[in-house]
Amino acid sequence: QSVLTQPPSASGTPGQRVTISCSGSSSNIGSNNVNWYQQFPGTAPKLLIYTNNQRPSGVPDRFSGSKSGTSASLAISGLQSEDEADYHCAAWDDSLNGVLFGGGTKLTVL
Amino acid sequence: EVQLVESGGGLVQPGGSLRLSCAASGFTFSDHYMDWVRQAPGKGLEWVGRSRNKTKSYTTDYAASVKGRFTISRDNSKNSLYLQMNSLKTEDTAVYYCARSPTRDYWGQGTLVTVSS
Repeated sequence: QSVLTQPPSASGTPGQRVTISCSGSSSNIGSNNVNWYQQFPGTAPKLLIYTNNQRPSGVPDRFSGSKSGTSASLAISGLQSEDEADYHCAAWDDSLNGVLFGGGTKLTVL
Repeated sequence: EVQLVESGGGLVQPGGSLRLSCAASGFTFSDHYMDWVRQAPGKGLEWVGRSRNKTKSYTTDYAASVKGRFTISRDNSKNSLYLQMNSLKTEDTAVYYCARSPTRDYWGQGTLVTVSS
């Protein structure tokens, strides 16, 4: 059972802006950085956003991250068909002394 | 180029043991934290544990679900990370990934562990 809560699914049409939420608590998102990962079926996850809002080299600026209090969000603007994937958030938890992942959100481009 | 390559997965009976390896290249292995992350079929990602870097004396942490059964070790002379899994349960069935931490900016391709009788 994930302590970081994500919606199981999200959808949008090409060109649209979509946001995916990740809700936690004071011991994880509230006091630590959030990372986001993109995963296509049958492949390893790929780092998409680190330290709440930083993009690794090569990640399009259509992807952005934000954090406020005990929640974080991933926004994808100018949605493209190739963005159809699973998205996972993660943060360290000070109480558990470990990393928590969200349950993942399956993004469908209609 | 950073590369992580896992190996050692396979079919094992409940109660059995398995040792996974992760061969790293393209970076100074001893400088980095390393994580093991798993993904059960059709499920989300689950953090398994961490090996910290030389500065942090290579200390380890584990998820509650595997603590006492799994052990993470590393051989910096071989640029390799290991996951010793004992007392395996059916719920340990998953693809196991190693990832460079703490941001998990690089991942291996994963190795499948199936625990079944």
